[in-house]
Amino acid sequence: AQSVTQLDSQVPVFEEAPVELRCNYSSSVSVYLFWYVQYPNQGLQLLLKYLSGSTLVKGINGFEAEFNKSQTSFHLRKPSVHISDTAEYFCAVSDLTSGYSTLTFGKGTMLLVSP
Amino acid sequence: GAGVSQSPSNKVTEKGKDVELRCDPISGHTALYWYRQRLGQGLEFLIYFQGNSAPDKSGLPSDRFSAERTGESVSTLTIQRTQQEDSAVYLCASSFDTSGRRTEAFFGQGTRLTVV
Repeated sequence: AQSVTQLDSQVPVFEEAPVELRCNYSSSVSVYLFWYVQYPNQGLQLLLKYLSGSTLVKGINGFEAEFNKSQTSFHLRKPSVHISDTAEYFCAVSDLTSGYSTLTFGKGTMLLVSP
Repeated sequence: GAGVSQSPSNKVTEKGKDVELRCDPISGHTALYWYRQRLGQGLEFLIYFQGNSAPDKSGLPSDRFSAERTGESVSTLTIQRTQQEDSAVYLCASSFDTSGRRTEAFFGQGTRLTVV
């Protein structure tokens, strides 16, 4: 079984400040990892994904995440946030053992960017 | 179509009535997921279809919930005898999954269900 933990339910930050949203996962096998963003009253949009290769993954809107297998983490970072980054961010994991596996989400982190 | 399509976008129903929600996945996608998102909360897994395999129904909250999918096409999620706690946004997603390889899941805009 796999699970995802997003320890911070809310992260308030000032505009142009750096931010890190934490994600830890639990799985007995190799995994794919994803970050999705949900803007107010909208659906989920893929921000970035780790499937294999380089552990530093760059996504849209200046976000990046680093896969750390030893710490089972996939934290999301941005060096300088904008007001428009205010949204809910979801980390998700899916295992690689077969094509038959659910996509498990964390409970989400609300990023609140203020001027 | 170009993306995952869900209908209706909004549904208001009376407590005790049955509702049917529809999802059209991206053409060629083998996997289809249903999730529920209650107000201010994360995504709650409901059911997962993968090709012709038996679906993973482990997330369905009660026997009032059921879902079907014909082949690799449209899926319907049915909620019988709706209760107020069923009020939520129901999200559908699809992806292309094969053994050892998977694309990201693409989400529809969701169906907002309100039980009054």
